[in-house]
Amino acid sequence: EADIYQTPRYLVIGTGKKITLECSQTMGHDKMYWYQQDPGMELHLIHYSYGVNSTEKGDLSSESTVSRIRTEHFPLTLESARPSHTSQYLCASSDRREAYEQYFGPGTRLTVT
Amino acid sequence: AQSVAQPEDQVNVAEGNPLTVKCTYSVSGNPYLFWYVQYPNRGLQFLLKYITGDNLVKGSYGFEAEFNKSQTSFHLKKPSALVSDSALYFCAVRPTGFQKLVFGTGTRLLVSP
Repeated sequence: EADIYQTPRYLVIGTGKKITLECSQTMGHDKMYWYQQDPGMELHLIHYSYGVNSTEKGDLSSESTVSRIRTEHFPLTLESARPSHTSQYLCASSDRREAYEQYFGPGTRLTVT
Repeated sequence: AQSVAQPEDQVNVAEGNPLTVKCTYSVSGNPYLFWYVQYPNRGLQFLLKYITGDNLVKGSYGFEAEFNKSQTSFHLKKPSALVSDSALYFCAVRPTGFQKLVFGTGTRLLVSP
C-alpha cells in the first residue's frame, strides 16, 4: 500500500456547503495531483502542484481550489458544493527519483444532494 | 498533442485464457510508460512501468507488457487470466520533459469463470 491518505472516504453533503477534501503523503514527494473520476470512467486532472506554494489548474476546468503550504499536504476545497460536483476525487503524488510513477490514495466519494 | 489510446472499452476473456489489453501512444521523445489497475471504490494501483532497457517488462500479479517503439504500443498481457483480474486498467505515459502523466481512458477487463 502506498503512503498516501485521503479523508473522508465517503461524504454526503447538501448543496451550498463548503467542503475540504484532505490528502496527505509521507513519501516526501514534491509533486501532487488531484483527479476527478466518475465511477468506472476515465480520469480527469483538475489540479496539480510541483512543490510548496506551487499550484496549477489541470486539463478539466473545476470550481474547486487547492493549496500547498506543506510538502506532504494538498487539500482540495469546494466553496459551495453543487450536485454536479458529485464524483470520486483521487489524490496522487510522484517524484522524479521514481520516474514520475504516481502513487494514488484510496479516493473520496463525494455526493452532493 | 500528447495522447494515449486504449481502443477497447471492454475486454472479455475466460478464466485460464491469455489476456491482452491494448495501449498505443502518441508522444514526442522517449516516454516512460505505465500500467495501473483500479478495483471498485479504490484508487489506482501500480502494475508495471517501462523506462528503458528490455522491451518486455514484468510486473505485479503475473502481468507483463511489451514496449514496441516502431508501433508506439505498450500492450498489457497475462498468460492465464483469473476471475480476480476483473477490474479497470489504465495505461499512462510520461512524455519527455513532462512532470505529469497522460492517462488513457481505461479498459474494463471482465474474466468469466
